[in-house]
Amino acid sequence: SQKIEQNSEALNIQEGKTATLTCNYTNYSPAYLQWYRQDPGRGPVFLLLIRENEKEKRKERLKVTFDTTLKQSLFHITASQPADSATYLCALGGATNKLIFGTGTLLAVQP
Amino acid sequence: GAVVSQHPSWVICKSGTSVKIECRSLDFQATTMFWYRQFPKQSLMLMATSNEGSKATYEQGVEKDKFLINHASLTLSTLTVTSAHPEDSSFYICSAKGPGGTVNTGELFFGEGSRLTVL
Repeated sequence: SQKIEQNSEALNIQEGKTATLTCNYTNYSPAYLQWYRQDPGRGPVFLLLIRENEKEKRKERLKVTFDTTLKQSLFHITASQPADSATYLCALGGATNKLIFGTGTLLAVQP
Repeated sequence: GAVVSQHPSWVICKSGTSVKIECRSLDFQATTMFWYRQFPKQSLMLMATSNEGSKATYEQGVEKDKFLINHASLTLSTLTVTSAHPEDSSFYICSAKGPGGTVNTGELFFGEGSRLTVL
């Protein structure tokens, strides 16, 4: 069955450093991959989408890579800030337009 | 960006009662909405796809008679948890495709979620 794995442990980093979150998947060939941010008790908020034919996408301090051979996406936040602390979810999508979400990685940026 | 509103944001009910959750797209028309359920420290699990004017499509293992979905207009979908039990306690989140496109050309817009606690 389809499986999406994200860093199960919380990621703690110092303010100003680059946070790197990992999303690995198996038994799936997504047409695109998305990253969302979720704060406690809130709905997810879209951050970035990257398609299967794209290697990298950037948006301000965010960068996403997509390696369909490794079946992996990396999500980077440069110059991290305490306000970046949240849970980050990756989600895979394909022809059915349904998204399958990973369990998320909790990021804590220490001042 | 597009705004999706959910109501209520939290609800506590007694076992055996039914609870209705509303999901509205405030500034765009949503022909398709999605209902998710999220347990603590777990992923969002898609329950069903709600299509305006037609029956919802339920994911495997989701009881359609227990989780009634109605999408009567282009801006409103409702989820009714019938005869709720404590195991139905969860965080329910709706989402909609953005205006003018399919989800693979843009993002999903999520509501704020509804926390259901069944006593």
